[in-house]
Amino acid sequence: GQNIDQPTEMTATEGAIVQINCTYQTSGFNGLFWYQQHAGEAPTFLSYNVLDGLEEKGRFSSFLSRSKGYSYLLLKELQMKDSASYLCAVMGASGGSYIPTFGRGTSLIVHP
Amino acid sequence: GAVVSQHPSWVICKSGTSVKIECRSLDFQATTMFWYRQFPKQSLMLMATSNEGSKATYEQGVEKDKFLINHASLTLSTLTVTSAHPEDSSFYICSARPPFGTVSGNTIYFGEGSWLTVV
Repeated sequence: GQNIDQPTEMTATEGAIVQINCTYQTSGFNGLFWYQQHAGEAPTFLSYNVLDGLEEKGRFSSFLSRSKGYSYLLLKELQMKDSASYLCAVMGASGGSYIPTFGRGTSLIVHP
Repeated sequence: GAVVSQHPSWVICKSGTSVKIECRSLDFQATTMFWYRQFPKQSLMLMATSNEGSKATYEQGVEKDKFLINHASLTLSTLTVTSAHPEDSSFYICSARPPFGTVSGNTIYFGEGSWLTVV
């Protein structure tokens, strides 16, 4: 089975930096995704990590440590529009195929 | 533009009727699609994995006879909620992954989602 854990809620100030952590336990790891989801909308893709290290993409960066079962999403220069739920998803082996399993999501509130 | 399209976006149906939701991959062939449901302020819960040309793989606790999945082509999967009840009201989302080895093969794309309300 797969188990994914991330904080339920975080708050931060506009312009600041915030780090959202995700820990996981899975069999047959084949990548970790981060998605952003605004209320009432479908998730949108942010990043994908399959090798250890940091992937930077504009204001967003994602880090992965496979040995520790740990990832984080780093958001810089926070904007009000970044207020959303951030989902960590792990692609793991299940029944001979790979399926993505999502964490509960971290609700990020950005205030002025 | 959308890579995965889902239809309808909103649907209201009477209790006891059936509703079909379509999921199409627009720019790639998807041998596998995933169906999720999401209740307010909760995570995406995988319902089933839809496999083109074969039976869907359902997650534990999901009723196969109630949530019928048909993946008849490489670009279309459908979810039919049969004999819908108010407790089936939820946000249903499909996703698909381009084939491994393609430029975007490491991305899972989501449809726009379908809000189902059973009255």
